[in-house]
Amino acid sequence: AQSVTQLGSHVSVSEGALVLLRCNYSSSVPPYLFWYVQYPNQGLQLLLKYTSAATLVKGINGFEAEFKKSETSFHLTKPSAHMSDAAEYFCAVIFGAGSYQLTFGKGTKLSVIP
Amino acid sequence: GAGVSQSPSNKVTEKGKDVELRCDPISGHTALYWYRQSLGQGLEFLIYFQGNSAPDKSGLPSDRFSAERTGGSVSTLTIQRTQQEDSAVYLCASSLVSGNQPQHFGDGTRLSIL
Repeated sequence: AQSVTQLGSHVSVSEGALVLLRCNYSSSVPPYLFWYVQYPNQGLQLLLKYTSAATLVKGINGFEAEFKKSETSFHLTKPSAHMSDAAEYFCAVIFGAGSYQLTFGKGTKLSVIP
Repeated sequence: GAGVSQSPSNKVTEKGKDVELRCDPISGHTALYWYRQSLGQGLEFLIYFQGNSAPDKSGLPSDRFSAERTGGSVSTLTIQRTQQEDSAVYLCASSLVSGNQPQHFGDGTRLSIL
């Protein structure tokens, strides 16, 4: 079955520390991968996307993610956390060309400690 | 504005009433999607429109839910005879075309059924 798993529903980091949010997927076809961020009472904002070009993808706000096919992973990282990064982050997948609906992970809520 | 616009932002109604939720996509976007975000189920796909093609309604949870898209632009999601389990945030997204194009989300309608 095709699925998206985000390890850790809640992650806390200190301001200035590395942010690492994990996403793994299960798919029998090449996926298209996305990370979205959601601030309270707002919709989802696209951080970055992977669509079979470079495996290291840079996004907005200093975030990047690396597609590792052998590990079926697409982890999100940022070298130095800011207070403004506190939000909920969702990994999402479109399973294969010809598909269009996003399948989301359960989300990871990031807290940044001053 | 330039983004996806949803109205109302909040809706409180009594069980058994009908509700209509509106989505105005980004100008020029031919694909439109509805998703539902709830505490128990996370983010779920509901329905997809692409141009003048027949919509994909495979995600609608029951026949109380329906949606239409008039003139290839504005969409309305209607829930008849609302139940308490319908309480959720309903998110609309649009994209240039379907497939691997990123979906841009509105801020959602928070629906509360009393």
